[in-house]
Amino acid sequence: DARVTQTPRHKVTEMGQEVTMRCQPILGHNTVFWYRQTMMQGLELLAYFRNRAPLDDSGMPKDRFSAEMPDATLATLKIQPSEPRDSAVYFCASGHDSYGYTFGSGTRLTVV
Amino acid sequence: QKEVEQDPGPLSVPEGAIVSLNCTYSNSAFQYFMWYRQYSRKGPELLMYTYSSGNKEDGRFTAQVDKSSKYISLFIRDSQPSDSATYLCATSRPGNTPLVFGKGTRLSVIA
Repeated sequence: DARVTQTPRHKVTEMGQEVTMRCQPILGHNTVFWYRQTMMQGLELLAYFRNRAPLDDSGMPKDRFSAEMPDATLATLKIQPSEPRDSAVYFCASGHDSYGYTFGSGTRLTVV
Repeated sequence: QKEVEQDPGPLSVPEGAIVSLNCTYSNSAFQYFMWYRQYSRKGPELLMYTYSSGNKEDGRFTAQVDKSSKYISLFIRDSQPSDSATYLCATSRPGNTPLVFGKGTRLSVIA
């Protein structure tokens, strides 16, 4: 089964440190999404790319978050500097049509 | 008002019961409707999708969409303990656009 691979699975870091999360989308999928999941807000869109071009990153705090897709096999989400309120599960998803997307297992981030 | 509203539950039912999960949405531009299932500490997995109003059946699961009332439902027949998970409704506009999710309903099926 094709799957979306996210690394690391877990990350504990101190406030102020840089955090980088990585995602390998499914080969052939041209659209990649980053979502954040918290108990309070549920799943929220942070950013997404189509054919590696950023289409919307309005869900991200611009001063500290950045998302890139350096090639078709890698998407990255960086937080610098990290804050305790960034603690959440970050999901990457990929797809190629409107009939649902495949999610990775997520990166569980804890900022202390 | 959030674009997609979903009762978070939790919902607890005995094994074998029929489960009804529901969402409402506010934007008529949404044309694609999905249900995802999420087990604890896992990513959401696509359970069912539909494009039009009406019913779609897959085994014990039936998805129902009523665009006139902007109402989305998922029915689970003969529920099993393995169905215990959080169920998320999602919708999107045409054109391979981002999914907008409900907050999810946590379901427990008790043996």
